[in-house]
Amino acid sequence: GAGVSQSPSNKVTEKGKDVELRCDPISGHTALYWYRQSLGQGLEFLIYFQGNSAPDKSGLPSDRFSAERTGGSVSTLTIQRTQQEDSAVYLCASSFGTQNQPQHFGDGTRLSIL
Amino acid sequence: AQSVTQLGSHVSVSEGALVLLRCNYSSSVPPYLFWYVQYPNQGLQLLLKYTSAATLVKGINGFEAEFKKSETSFHLTKPSAHMSDAAEYFCAVIDSSNTGKLIFGQGTTLQVKP
Repeated sequence: GAGVSQSPSNKVTEKGKDVELRCDPISGHTALYWYRQSLGQGLEFLIYFQGNSAPDKSGLPSDRFSAERTGGSVSTLTIQRTQQEDSAVYLCASSFGTQNQPQHFGDGTRLSIL
Repeated sequence: AQSVTQLGSHVSVSEGALVLLRCNYSSSVPPYLFWYVQYPNQGLQLLLKYTSAATLVKGINGFEAEFKKSETSFHLTKPSAHMSDAAEYFCAVIDSSNTGKLIFGQGTTLQVKP
């Protein structure tokens, strides 16, 4: 079956621009997670959705970062006024939502800020 | 709070040799532990998971891991390395906050020499 799909796979943009990253989770997965992978920081949690609600936003690094999820499915991560330190791979994962269920990851969006 | 430590950022083995990747965890509650593998320009693929059913867990591609509570370890092994095993490996523990978010180790890059 279809896995987690992320788009775009690569994004290059200028400092100060806004970007939107999209995640299509596996059908039926109620939990959705965003992580960031960077050379200096490794893999970091950003935000967790259960359905359309985000009960844990504790990993968002600043108020320039926001995310939403609609229809219990697609999620969009938005970064406003991008900075060079935002350059990273942004990974999305989904799961059936119970605590011990494994997360399935997309291939990520590689974001480069010039 | 949960944490994961992977000893050795780079491990090099010869093809056919034993693979041992080390992971130690810290957890205030019985942990749920995972090993993921990441190939270049791809997302994370689940290798195996520990959810307290059995201490020796078998995963895909011939990998297995043993949960040792007394040593707070969950080391990943494979009896005979193959060239295709060259990748980055991540150990992770589920956070205790009931969100299911993963706390990752820093990763270990496995190099397999012919």
